[in-house]
Amino acid sequence: AQSVTQLDSQVPVFEEAPVELRCNYSSSVSVYLFWYVQYPNQGLQLLLKYLSGSTLVESINGFEAEFNKSQTSFHLRKPSVHISDTAEYFCAVMPTGGGNKLTFGTGTQLKVEL
Amino acid sequence: EAGVAQSPRYKIIEKRQSVAFWCNPISGHATLYWYQQILGQGPKLLIQFQNNGVVDDSQLPKDRFSAERLKGVDSTLKIQPAKLEDSAVYLCASSPQWGYEQYFGPGTRLTVT
Repeated sequence: AQSVTQLDSQVPVFEEAPVELRCNYSSSVSVYLFWYVQYPNQGLQLLLKYLSGSTLVESINGFEAEFNKSQTSFHLRKPSVHISDTAEYFCAVMPTGGGNKLTFGTGTQLKVEL
Repeated sequence: EAGVAQSPRYKIIEKRQSVAFWCNPISGHATLYWYQQILGQGPKLLIQFQNNGVVDDSQLPKDRFSAERLKGVDSTLKIQPAKLEDSAVYLCASSPQWGYEQYFGPGTRLTVT
């Protein structure tokens, strides 16, 4: 079984400041890792994913996440946030052995303020 | 390309009533998922279909929840009878047969009073 922990339920930050959203996971098998974003009244959208290869992955809108196997973490970072980044962010894992079953964390609400 | 469609977007019912949700996945996607997202929690998988067969329904409360995917395309999720704790957003997602990315619909927000 897998579990995902997002310790920060809410993260307030000023516009243009850096931000880090933390994600730790537990699994007895190898997993793929994902970050999804949910804007108000919308469905979840994939932000970025780690399947294999370079442990640092980037999104098209400036977010990046680094897979750290020894610390079982996949923290999400952005060097300078914008008001439009205000949303809820979910970390998720999926076993690599098949089945495509996603296990989500409880989410982190990022609120960007002027 | 059209995304995952869900209806209705909002539903308010009284406890012990029945309710049904509809999902139309992205064209050509073989796998369809229903998730329950309770306020303050992450989405929890209820059931996964591969074409019109059930792959995983281990977390579906089968005494009151049922789902079907006729002809391997559209799907319906039903709750009968509803309880207060069923208040949640019900998300539908789909993915290609050999893909890892799941594409989510906008969800149906259910309030049980």
